[in-house]
Amino acid sequence: GAGVSQSPSNKVTEKGKDVELRCDPISGHTALYWYRQSLGQGLEFLIYFQGNSAPDKSGLPSDRFSAERTGGSVSTLTIQRTQQEDSAVYLCASSSNRLSSYNEQFFGPGTRLTVL
Amino acid sequence: AQTVTQSQPEMSVQEAETVTLSCTYDTSESDYYLFWYKQPPSRQMILVIRQEAYKQQNATENRFSVNFQKAAKSFSLKISDSQLGDAAMYFCAINTGTASKLTFGTGTRLQVTL
Repeated sequence: GAGVSQSPSNKVTEKGKDVELRCDPISGHTALYWYRQSLGQGLEFLIYFQGNSAPDKSGLPSDRFSAERTGGSVSTLTIQRTQQEDSAVYLCASSSNRLSSYNEQFFGPGTRLTVL
Repeated sequence: AQTVTQSQPEMSVQEAETVTLSCTYDTSESDYYLFWYKQPPSRQMILVIRQEAYKQQNATENRFSVNFQKAAKSFSLKISDSQLGDAAMYFCAINTGTASKLTFGTGTRLQVTL
């Protein structure tokens, strides 16, 4: 079956513009995660969706960042009024196991965002 | 909160040789899992190996094995018979029983030379 897909692969935008990044998780996976990877850094957790539960937004860096997950499947990460420090690779992951802390996360190829 | 520290920004190994990547972590949880992920230039994160904290036996996956020292909170990755395809960024990560998010280290870039 298909893995996690993300679009666009690359996005270049101007400072102050809004951007939307899309993630299609593996079919049937109940959990979906967004991470940010800045140049030379590890992955930083942003937000986590699990089924119909309220999302864990504890990693969102500011109120310019938001995400939604429609129908328990596709997710969109929106960044409003982008700043140059938002430039990074945004990675999405999904997993299927909701009860165990071992829940192998399958990652997408990421979206590289460049804010000029 | 959890932290993961990878103190080796870059490592180099000759083809067919063995290399060990270091990782230390900190958590107050008793139930957790540790992971090593590989990220090649394609950006795709690939799970290399995982270790359950309650298991004393070190995990092994073909040429990859870990040295898990729970008391020292150390989780190193050993790659045996290194291959050119092993060249990538390697990230150590932890996942605890009270949260499903992964906390990552800053990564180690592994070069494999002929």
